[in-house]
Amino acid sequence: AQSVAQPEDQVNVAEGNPLTVKCTYSVSGNPYLFWYVQYPNRGLQFLLKYITGDNLVKGSYGFEAEFNKSQTSFHLKKPSALVSDSALYFCAVRGEMDSNYQLIWGAGTKLIIKP
Amino acid sequence: GAVVSQHPSRVICKSGTSVKIECRSLDFQATTMFWYRQFPKKSLMLMATSNEGSKATYEQGVEKDKFLINHASLTLSTLTVTSAHPEDSSFYICSAYRGRWTTDTQYFGPGTRLTVL
Repeated sequence: AQSVAQPEDQVNVAEGNPLTVKCTYSVSGNPYLFWYVQYPNRGLQFLLKYITGDNLVKGSYGFEAEFNKSQTSFHLKKPSALVSDSALYFCAVRGEMDSNYQLIWGAGTKLIIKP
Repeated sequence: GAVVSQHPSRVICKSGTSVKIECRSLDFQATTMFWYRQFPKKSLMLMATSNEGSKATYEQGVEKDKFLINHASLTLSTLTVTSAHPEDSSFYICSAYRGRWTTDTQYFGPGTRLTVL
């Protein structure tokens, strides 16, 4: 079955430190991977995606994610966290063999950046 | 990025009334839109897939007679919660597909907070 796991319900990081939000997946065929961020009482904002090519993908707000096929992971990273990065982060995946446009969603990880 | 709007952003209604939520893609045409419901503990639940000019496809467990979806044009999909009850209170979010390929990105509306008294 296709699935996405975000193993950490919450991640706490001090401002200025690097951050990582973890995501692993299981799909048929090659994965199309996405990260979204949600601020309180707001919809989701697209951060970045991996379709093919370089394993390191750069996205909005200084975020990047690294696709690791052998580990079936797509962890979100940022070299230096800002307090304004505090939000809810969702990883999502779709398999290349899927005929519809639906995404499989992780449960979300709450990121808290402390000053 | 692409812009998707939702209206209203917040609605409070009495039990038994119907509420319509609009989702618009402002700067692109969206043949496919999705409706999600988000529960207080944050998880996103896909309710239905809305395709322009055809009937919506509902996920298992979602009552299609209660959650009416209409995708009348390439820029507008509506979700009507009929005979709303307090348990329907939730955060409803729509998303729209910008392209026609499965590698394309879903863009989300800002969400609608529904409170049923």
